[in-house]
Amino acid sequence: DAGVIQSPRHEVTEMGQEVTLRCKPISGHNSLFWYRQTMMRGLELLIYFNNNVPIDDSGMPEDRFSAKMPNASFSTLKIQPSEPRDSAVYFCASSRRGDTEAFFGQGTRLTVV
Amino acid sequence: GENVGLHLPTLSVQEGDNSIINCAYSNSASDYFIWYKQESGKGPQFIIDIRSNMDKRQGQRVTVLLNKTVKHLSLQIAATQPGDSAVYFCAVRVTGANNLFFGTGTRLTVIP
Repeated sequence: DAGVIQSPRHEVTEMGQEVTLRCKPISGHNSLFWYRQTMMRGLELLIYFNNNVPIDDSGMPEDRFSAKMPNASFSTLKIQPSEPRDSAVYFCASSRRGDTEAFFGQGTRLTVV
Repeated sequence: GENVGLHLPTLSVQEGDNSIINCAYSNSASDYFIWYKQESGKGPQFIIDIRSNMDKRQGQRVTVLLNKTVKHLSLQIAATQPGDSAVYFCAVRVTGANNLFFGTGTRLTVIP
């Protein structure tokens, strides 16, 4: 398996623009997580899905952030409108089930100017 | 929830020495613990895990120790190599939850 695949690897956008980050989890994994990593706050869980259903989105910073998982092999994290403070590395991770280790993608480095 | 902290933000060791990275957690209902390694420009990579019914688990050159009494776990790396230089995170899961709470990370630097 190729592991968790995220795209794009890097994204530079202007403030106010919409940004969509994409994730393909490992086949057969039932849980999917979106994390944000910054120097100041470390790794923060934004939202996670079990069997394509959002379970906990309490980590989503505000209404500008939304996430979807239309099927077991694809998820998106959207920021609209983006702001400079959204600049961070966004990671997607998946696990076979909730009580096993999560495997991370390579991340998307987002820069909002 | 869970507050996960690390005792030292940075650690430097000589190549060949053993490394010990520590982590403290706050929730006594935490039941699953993972150590991750993150190299520059990459995502966190699983190293080793341990469940709350154990107090020690060994892998290749790594050992995780869990002390539930004081809510502390540690990662020991034997014969540290330059390739071990990275940021190490502990992650903790609370019983009944699916998500992992991550510590702030310790940057390990191996001096050749």
